[in-house]
Amino acid sequence: GQSLEQPSEVTAVEGAIVQINCTYQTSGFYGLSWYQQHDGGAPTFLSYNALDGLEETGRFSSFLSRSDSYGYLLLQELQMKDSASYFCAVRDRKGNTPLVFGKGTRLSVIA
Amino acid sequence: NAGVTQTPKFQVLKTGQSMTLQCAQDMNHEYMSWYRQDPGMGLRLIHYSVGAGITDQGEVPNGYNVSRSTTEDFPLRLLSAAPSQTSVYFCASSYGRYGDDYTEAFFGQGTRLTVV
Repeated sequence: GQSLEQPSEVTAVEGAIVQINCTYQTSGFYGLSWYQQHDGGAPTFLSYNALDGLEETGRFSSFLSRSDSYGYLLLQELQMKDSASYFCAVRDRKGNTPLVFGKGTRLSVIA
Repeated sequence: NAGVTQTPKFQVLKTGQSMTLQCAQDMNHEYMSWYRQDPGMGLRLIHYSVGAGITDQGEVPNGYNVSRSTTEDFPLRLLSAAPSQTSVYFCASSYGRYGDDYTEAFFGQGTRLTVV
């Protein structure tokens, strides 16, 4: 089976940096993804890590350590519009396999 | 390019009624899936399909049926609605963005279902 753990809620100040952690337990591992979901909206893809290290996309970065079964999403220069839920997700092998999601972290950005 | 389209957006059913949630994608993605989202539970996989004619069960398949007759369409059928099926349902299709398979999922806007 697979399980993913992430904090349920995080609060941060506008302009600051916040890190959302994700630890996973899977029978196999093929990539860690991050999705953003605003209230009432659909999840949208943010990033994907297949190998160890940091992937940067604008203000967002994602990190993976396969030896620690751990990853994080880093959001810099926080804006009010970043208030949303963030989900980590994994596949346990390559190819036609389901994407399994964590329960999500609700980020609140305050002034 | 419409992406993933779900209909209806909202639905109220009475216990015992049946209905079909529609999902269509125009991106020629092979992989499609259905999730339900409940407060505090994240996204839980109901059924998925790796191509036309092929479907498989996810984590919470009971009470739901699917079929995949074409690449574009992946409807979800509720056989006999129960209050426990009150949820937001998302359809998604996937492709490999990084030269890999199925690494990015595109979601429809969701169907908000209430069973009374």
